[in-house]
Amino acid sequence: DSGVTQTPKHLITATGQRVTLRCSPRSGDLSVYWYQQSLDQGLQFLIQYYNGEERAKGNILERFSAQQFPDLHSELNLSSLELGDSALYFCASSGLGVTGNTIYFGEGSWLTVV
Amino acid sequence: AQKITQTQPGMFVQEKEAVTLDCTYDTSDPSYGLFWYKQPSSGEMIFLIYQGSYDQQNATEGRYSLNFQKARKSANLVISASQLGDSAMYFCAMRAAMNSGGSNYKLTFGKGTLLTVNP
Repeated sequence: DSGVTQTPKHLITATGQRVTLRCSPRSGDLSVYWYQQSLDQGLQFLIQYYNGEERAKGNILERFSAQQFPDLHSELNLSSLELGDSALYFCASSGLGVTGNTIYFGEGSWLTVV
Repeated sequence: AQKITQTQPGMFVQEKEAVTLDCTYDTSDPSYGLFWYKQPSSGEMIFLIYQGSYDQQNATEGRYSLNFQKARKSANLVISASQLGDSAMYFCAMRAAMNSGGSNYKLTFGKGTLLTVNP
């Protein structure tokens, strides 16, 4: 158990809909990262938060947004969903500040858009 | 730009033998970290081992060791005494700064190596 909790584990939704993925980092970790893993794109970095602030942005679509709350949990919002958004979405957290040398991943949220 | 290259799409090893999974990287950030993760068919991403760019010794964690050759920009994972449960996808990843100021970081992954352990 990595200590990073992601919910839901699986969800199926229709095109055009909106979903929210939730992540609770390991106790004490201030950094949260979001990744998307699909068969054709591999693991793609989406966004990183540190103690509530956005710190780095990757290949995140405008239809996607994220935030980190004061209790350090994070949410990834995916809207106007398309078939191509079907993927495994990971949250990861790290300690030792921004440059944490232990980055642990949650079990992921499997999203299927039909 | 940061880049991680894993040149072996698939590898086979006999149970109880050692196997080396290759990883090369490229970054202009002098302070970076290298990670290996294991992803079994169930999907979770399991952290295995970490090596910092300034670490003098190669990292080891149980049966996992990281063969870090900084001048060659390689960070190969060595798994000793392979077990059937080691069959999985293995990813090499690098944490490096996204900008010259070094305040924003991201973890860049390679495409992975699918390891199959044969009985």
